[in-house]
Amino acid sequence: SQKIEQNSEALNIQEGKTATLTCNYTNYSPAYLQWYRQDPGRGPVFLLLIRENEKEKRKERLKVTFDTTLKQSLFHITASQPADSATYLCALSYSSASKIIFGSGTRLSIRP
Amino acid sequence: DADVTQTPRNRITKTGKRIMLECSQTKGHDRMYWYRQDPGLGLRLIYYSFDVKDINKGEISDGYSVSRQAQAKFSLSLESAIPNQTALYFCATSDPGSWEGNEQFFGPGTRLTVL
Repeated sequence: SQKIEQNSEALNIQEGKTATLTCNYTNYSPAYLQWYRQDPGRGPVFLLLIRENEKEKRKERLKVTFDTTLKQSLFHITASQPADSATYLCALSYSSASKIIFGSGTRLSIRP
Repeated sequence: DADVTQTPRNRITKTGKRIMLECSQTKGHDRMYWYRQDPGLGLRLIYYSFDVKDINKGEISDGYSVSRQAQAKFSLSLESAIPNQTALYFCATSDPGSWEGNEQFFGPGTRLTVL
């Protein structure tokens, strides 16, 4: 079965630096790969989606890459701020009609 | 008002009790989901429904049942609660017509403790 691996260790970054989070998957590549943000005690919130035929997607300070050869997606936050501190979840699906499989998330802390 | 609401937000119950968690949405989405979240395990799918007449098991459906009363309502029941069902439960919706490939909209969650 498909597995998604995200770094379980928290990532601590100095404010202003670029934070990079990794999502690796096994088996065959998904059609869509999504990233969500989750704050403590709250539901995840959708951030970005990248399709299998896209190499990179940007939204404001966020950038996602998708490498189907490495079976990996990278999520970057540039000019990081303390308000970016949260847990970030990677999720994949094989079609717009299929259910989504979530990773366990990586906790990001941005220190002032 | 929130688009996806869950009741109750917190619940403490005893082993063997039957409880129901409710989810309502005003987004007009056909698809609804129930997930549970445990530390280190991420979100795991319990049940999902692609329309009112469609109910499907997820990866961890044992010990749970669901009811899709209407497009806007999807309830999760624990017939006989056990302590390892202590977790954070999320309801979510999605729009099959969305070009964002099944983007999920989550409710605020229900924290369930089974003693």
